[in-house]
Amino acid sequence: GAVVSQHPSRVICKSGTSVKIECRSLDFQATTMFWYRQFPKQSLMLMATSNEGSKATYEQGVEKDKFLINHASLTLSTLTVTSAHPEDSSFYICSAKKGDQPQHFGDGTRLSIL
Amino acid sequence: GNSVTQMEGPVTLSEEAFLTINCTYTATGYPSLFWYVQYPGEGLQLLLKATKADDKGSNKGFEATYRKETTSFHLEKGSVQVSDSAVYFCALSDGDDKIIFGKGTRLHILP
Repeated sequence: GAVVSQHPSRVICKSGTSVKIECRSLDFQATTMFWYRQFPKQSLMLMATSNEGSKATYEQGVEKDKFLINHASLTLSTLTVTSAHPEDSSFYICSAKKGDQPQHFGDGTRLSIL
Repeated sequence: GNSVTQMEGPVTLSEEAFLTINCTYTATGYPSLFWYVQYPGEGLQLLLKATKADDKGSNKGFEATYRKETTSFHLEKGSVQVSDSAVYFCALSDGDDKIIFGKGTRLHILP
């Protein structure tokens, strides 16, 4: 089946640094990729939707300058958390889809900001 | 707006017990309904789905029926296994790419 790879799976860094998370569709070309954030014991909240070659569409309340999304190719999207602070610590999950096919999810990245 | 409400966990059952996880939704249109499963340390996997009223989604012994009259999509399994321990998310999609998730229900199956 379709596979979406997310890297890294876990990252711990100091407050103030920027962190980049990669999301790759391994066996299909993703026309759309999504980034979600999951707080402990909470649901996934959609942060943004990105289409290859165009700017991401952010959900209300998500800071564009804080969470930079680049969808450089049909198989790669990146999320950069800029100047990360402890409140940005969370589980970030990407998903990818092709056309009207279902979304396929990555395994997530646990981000811990000290 | 659209929303999904599912029973809070954790739910703890013995192996071979019958499972029901309740899910109800609110939507302005005619959404597609989903159940996703998240195993420890992993992302979400689509477990089953139903796209219209009275459809039954099924997979790996799990079933859920799209009930428009009660706006529900309860997840059931007749005999659970230890390997079913995970977090289960009910979700809907209302014609666009966005998926709205419930808060998830953690399931523990005891051997």
